[in-house]
Amino acid sequence: LAKTTQPISMDSYEGQEVNITCSHNNIATNDYITWYQQFPSQGPRFIIQGYKTKVTNEVASLFIPADRKSSTLSLPRVSLSDTAVYYCLVGDIGSGYSTLTFGKGTMLLVSP
Amino acid sequence: DTGVSQDPRHKITKRGQNVTFRCDPISEHNRLYWYRQTLGQGPEFLTYFQNEAQLEKSRLLSDRFSAERPKGSFSTLEIQRTEQGDSAMYLCASSYGQWETQYFGPGTRLLVL
Repeated sequence: LAKTTQPISMDSYEGQEVNITCSHNNIATNDYITWYQQFPSQGPRFIIQGYKTKVTNEVASLFIPADRKSSTLSLPRVSLSDTAVYYCLVGDIGSGYSTLTFGKGTMLLVSP
Repeated sequence: DTGVSQDPRHKITKRGQNVTFRCDPISEHNRLYWYRQTLGQGPEFLTYFQNEAQLEKSRLLSDRFSAERPKGSFSTLEIQRTEQGDSAMYLCASSYGQWETQYFGPGTRLLVL
């Protein structure tokens, strides 16, 4: 499984756009990139998943450059409720990855 | 709410006691996963089931741990002779098939005194 590296923490203010970058230098051809969000005392919640270029849903956007060695989760106009830990994961969906390997994640703190 | 549910949400026990946790997955999901999460760390995979078959176990799952999913629906995770190091949040997740998103429950927080 490809190892990921993320910043330990980030700070932002309400209404700002937040970009969290994840490095995955040894990503394999069949690997997808998935982001989860976790609030204290809750299980992780799926945010977005992608393979290349750009993916957007109602919550976030995921930008993946052509070499796929990194990815950026973009949260538009964050609010206080976006304060959480964000995990970047890389896994081979093509062969049906059965387990998710979480790192320590990025603790995002949104202030008023 | 038709999400993944776990019971109990909190459990305090004394070292050496046995504990059992239950997970009810989303009804149409055939895959069920157990993870453990300690403070400041991301969740760590323990084991998973496809229907009633336990297909993979992590080396983290010592012989004091046992998981079952007898009818391919709910699952139980038992820890025998608990140790203080077992104190953690135990998370359950389910998915529909091996390529689908895993949906997590709220977790059971275990404290071993």
